Amino acid sequence: DVKVTQSSRYLVKRTGEKVFLECVQDMDHENMFWYRQDPGLGLRLIYFSYDVKMKEKGDIPEGYSVSREKKERFSLILESASTNQTSMYLCASSSGRTGSYEQYFGPGTRLTVT
Amino acid sequence: GDSVTQMEGPVTLSEEACLTINCTYTATGYPSLFWYVQYPGEGLQLLLKATKADDKGSNKGFEATYRKETTSFHLEKGSVQVSDSAVYFCALSDLGGSARQLTFGSGTQLTVLP
Repeated sequence: DVKVTQSSRYLVKRTGEKVFLECVQDMDHENMFWYRQDPGLGLRLIYFSYDVKMKEKGDIPEGYSVSREKKERFSLILESASTNQTSMYLCASSSGRTGSYEQYFGPGTRLTVT
Repeated sequence: GDSVTQMEGPVTLSEEACLTINCTYTATGYPSLFWYVQYPGEGLQLLLKATKADDKGSNKGFEATYRKETTSFHLEKGSVQVSDSAVYFCALSDLGGSARQLTFGSGTQLTVLP
């Protein structure tokens, strides 16, 4: 089974702090994704990566950056956390080897910025 | 662009009732279709998928058939249980477009009462 793990389930940070959210997958997937999920707004794609050191902006990249130094790990960085970044953050991975690109999700990190 | 429209919730059913959650899509290519389930406080789990017209995906008593003529992928279950209470998301990956991303519907909250 595919396993996607995220470094924290719950995180509380202060405004202005630099925040790192880590995601690791164990299935050699080439594609990895970061979403945020907010009530009434559904899932919104922040960034994704289709290869090591490659990244592409999603729908809402402002205020975020990402890093992918190794194939299995994809990090989301909040350079200066703000209260409007309080949200549930979901990481996912996928592979074209399946032919259908279904994504496998981690358990999520609920981030609160105070 | 691609889009997924799913039945608005919330949906409340009694245990052992029949479930249908409607999902229709618009895509420029030949999409693969998915249903995901999200239990409270968790990430999304792939429930079932279908990769071509007339395919039926099934898992845990849930079924959905890929209907190209009506561009639909409705989720059905003959007898729901309290443990099926969750949010259900319909999604597609369009191999004619950016094959690495999924387009999600807005989600349907299902509550099953004992």
